[in-house]
Amino acid sequence: DAGITQSPRYKITETGRQVTLMCHQTWSHSYMFWYRQDLGHGLRLIYYSAAADITDKGEVPDGYVVSRSKTENFPLTLESATRSQTSVYFCASSESGGWNTEAFFGQGTRLTVV
Amino acid sequence: KNQVEQSPQSLIILEGKNCTLQCNYTVSPFSNLRWYKQDTGRGPVSLTIMTFSENTKSNGRYTATLDADTKQSSLHITASQLSDSASYICVVSARYGGATNKLIFGTGTLLAVQP
Repeated sequence: DAGITQSPRYKITETGRQVTLMCHQTWSHSYMFWYRQDLGHGLRLIYYSAAADITDKGEVPDGYVVSRSKTENFPLTLESATRSQTSVYFCASSESGGWNTEAFFGQGTRLTVV
Repeated sequence: KNQVEQSPQSLIILEGKNCTLQCNYTVSPFSNLRWYKQDTGRGPVSLTIMTFSENTKSNGRYTATLDADTKQSSLHITASQLSDSASYICVVSARYGGATNKLIFGTGTLLAVQP
C-alpha cells in the first residue's frame, strides 16, 4: 500500500539498549520528520530531514540519532534507551517544508523502556 | 514563547449534536493554522489548513474559523457522529528563515460522542 508506514507498532526494550524505529514512505516526499507524543505535551519534533543525506535537529534531539541514506526511509535510533524516552513516536512526510505543505503522519510506534 | 492552547481538554456530546472546539495561539511569525483529527492509536490526519487571509474553511461537517487579529481559531463539528470520537489537535505553523516551517502543536481536545 502507498503511504507512510512505521515499524514496529509496539516495542518494549530495556534501559541502555539500542533500538531503531523505522519509517518508510512511498510518495518520494523530500521532507521527513520524527515526533514524539507524550501526555500533557503536544507533538514535539525530534529530528527532520529535508532530503537524502540532509538532517537537522528539532526541539528535543538529545539521545536520538537519525540517518537518511534513501529518500523513502528515515530511521530513528535511540542509542541507549532511557525511561524518559517511553513515548509514542510518529513519523511524518511532506513534499516540501514550505508554509502551505500538507504533512502526512504514520500510525505511530509505541515504545516502552523498562 | 510560541504556544498553542486548546480548550476544553475533553468533551462529551450526544450523537447528532454540534460542538465547538477552541484554539488560542501565541506564535510568531504566523504562517498557517491547521486542525488535525487523531483517532485512538493512529497518527494525526489533516482536516483543514488556513492561512492568514482565510476566515473560514470547511471540510464536510467540519468548519474551522480563524481570527488572526485575536489569534484564535475554532473547529465546529455539525451533526456529530460516533466516528467523530477522537482527539482534535490545533497546529500553528511558524515561518522562519529558510525553507522549513516549524509546527507548534496543541495538546488536543479529546471528544467523545455518545449514542
